Amino acid sequence: EPEVTQTPSHQVTQMGQEVILRCVPISNHLYFYWYRQILGQKVEFLVSFYNNEISEKSEIFDDQFSVERPDGSNFTLKIRSTKLEDSAMYFCASSELGRGSSYNEQFFGPGTRLTVL
Amino acid sequence: GNSVTQMEGPVTLSEEAFLTINCTYTATGYPSLFWYVQYPGEGLQLLLKATKADDKGSNKGFEATYRKETTSFHLEKGSVQVSDSAVYFCALRRSDSWGKLQFGAGTQVVVTP
Repeated sequence: EPEVTQTPSHQVTQMGQEVILRCVPISNHLYFYWYRQILGQKVEFLVSFYNNEISEKSEIFDDQFSVERPDGSNFTLKIRSTKLEDSAMYFCASSELGRGSSYNEQFFGPGTRLTVL
Repeated sequence: GNSVTQMEGPVTLSEEAFLTINCTYTATGYPSLFWYVQYPGEGLQLLLKATKADDKGSNKGFEATYRKETTSFHLEKGSVQVSDSAVYFCALRRSDSWGKLQFGAGTQVVVTP
């Protein structure tokens, strides 16, 4: 069964460093998403991406964050200068359909745990 | 704004017991409602969904009914198994959204033999 994969499973970085979290969505999916979950808190939406553009983003997704689909298979989240409060589990998701469709089930990856020291 | 509130856990049950996890929402318009489940070490998986009032979503013995009058989407299962131990998340998606899911805090369920 197709699945969303994420690498690495755990990333440790120093405050101020850049990190890139990688995701491989399901191959025929066109819509891509990033969410994060700070320990003990809710899963929060960060951004959605379609047709090589951001289609929706939250207030969390500020200038320190960027997303990219560098090739036909990967979808990345970059944090330019990490802060302590960026420590969280980051989930990638993808869906075949998008806005206006009631059938756009989002499939989630297992997550990358980011620890900022 | 939109929000989802679900009961706090952990909820500890014996095998074959009845499970209810309460979920209420605040939203404008007619959102779609979802239950996701997260097993240890895995990502979130869609358990069931409902896209309009009075719809009932069901899967793997779990059920939830979209109640617009009470703005609720409570999850139920008549007889739980140890393998149902997981964290359950209630979520909504606005109809005008590009896919943004808004989640509740999650409820951990522990089923003991």
